[in-house]
Amino acid sequence: QKEVEQDPGPLSVPEGAIVSLNCTYSNSAFQYFMWYRQYSRKGPELLMYTYSSGNKEDGRFTAQVDKSSKYISLFIRDSQPSDSATYLCAMSGGTSYGKLTFGQGTILTVHP
Amino acid sequence: DAGVTQSPTHLIKTRGQQVTLRCSPKSGHDTVSWYQQALGQGPQFIFQYYEEEERQRGNFPDRFSGHQFPNYSSELNVNALLLGDSALYLCATSVGRGTEAFFGQGTRLTVV
Repeated sequence: QKEVEQDPGPLSVPEGAIVSLNCTYSNSAFQYFMWYRQYSRKGPELLMYTYSSGNKEDGRFTAQVDKSSKYISLFIRDSQPSDSATYLCAMSGGTSYGKLTFGQGTILTVHP
Repeated sequence: DAGVTQSPTHLIKTRGQQVTLRCSPKSGHDTVSWYQQALGQGPQFIFQYYEEEERQRGNFPDRFSGHQFPNYSSELNVNALLLGDSALYLCATSVGRGTEAFFGQGTRLTVV
């Protein structure tokens, strides 16, 4: 079993839809949770960075962490074609502090 | 403010050869981590350098080695290249032991 599981999709939605992306994990020591966006053939771009449980909002993006369920989510409101990319969740903590463990990535396409 | 820069952007090598990839950190960052990303997968942690020493290492063979210079820039060396080493190699930088990491655009290595 992988430490971080992420549905690879692909996910296709119409412009303006609310998108929900999710990851589950097995390592209870993880305390830091990140979402990255990666366009084709580019490096990952940090979207959201959260510590422990709770919600964090930044513009159209909301990150949620539920440590009791070992489940994190990223919501994108009013999705745009420019949001089309691969979204990667990443985590760190405990003995692997500083090392990021990634999910497989979810491919998202927002069509006009 | 210059972000994380990597060179070269693309590289083609023959099986058995050696390769060196380079990374310059984001301004103010002193920690450098290297990741390997195979097509369709999330990045996998190779190792991390801080204060010119390897601080953590992932599950990669000794053919993968690195170095950090006094100006915090870093090199990744891979010896005896295998076809399976073909991937996008990503450099991520952060401050101290922080987990908020920013990535470069990557070096795409093709081994033929």
